[in-house]
Amino acid sequence: GENVEQHPSTLSVQEGDSAVIKCTYSDSASNYFPWYKQELGKGPQLIIDIRSNVGEKKDQRIAVTLNKTAKHFSLHITETQPEDSAVYFCAASWEGADGLTFGKGTHLIIQP
Amino acid sequence: EPEVTQTPSHQVTQMGQEVILRCVPISNHLYFYWYRQILGQKVEFLVSFYNNEISEKSEIFDDQFSVERPDGSNFTLKIRSTKLEDSAMYFCASSGSSFWFSTEAFFGQGTRLTVV
Repeated sequence: GENVEQHPSTLSVQEGDSAVIKCTYSDSASNYFPWYKQELGKGPQLIIDIRSNVGEKKDQRIAVTLNKTAKHFSLHITETQPEDSAVYFCAASWEGADGLTFGKGTHLIIQP
Repeated sequence: EPEVTQTPSHQVTQMGQEVILRCVPISNHLYFYWYRQILGQKVEFLVSFYNNEISEKSEIFDDQFSVERPDGSNFTLKIRSTKLEDSAMYFCASSGSSFWFSTEAFFGQGTRLTVV
């Protein structure tokens, strides 16, 4: 089955700086890669996703890149703000599959 | 904005008791899921449900677990005889719509199950 590794487990950055979270996956059949943000006491919320027919996708301060050859994908947050503090999960799946395989999560801390 | 809602937010139960966790998925979604997250660990897929039947389940989803869509709006997860290791946050999710298939899953806020 699919295995998703996520690094780092904790990331502390100064407000205004950029944050990068990286994930690798094992199953070359995976072609859908969402990122979820989980705030304390809440469920994961989809913030951005990418499919394997594109290499990069951007939505305002958030971008995701995908390298299918190397089987890794990354989340980039620019101009970080205090409200970006949360746990971020990457996940992988393939079209037609039902379940998402999640990484272990990254606790992002934005220092004022 | 439509959302997935779960009840209760916190459930405490004695070991061996049956529990039912309830979810109301987004109204025009067709695919329903349960995930769990043991404290400090990753979110794990349990089961998916489509067209009134289970379409996929993980190794975690053994005979102690069952799912049901008793009416047009609710989606439930039943744990028949709870064990201490069932203590976790359980998330319901839904995806898809009447007109197109999408793998974007929207999650509820979770039910924290504590087995004592």
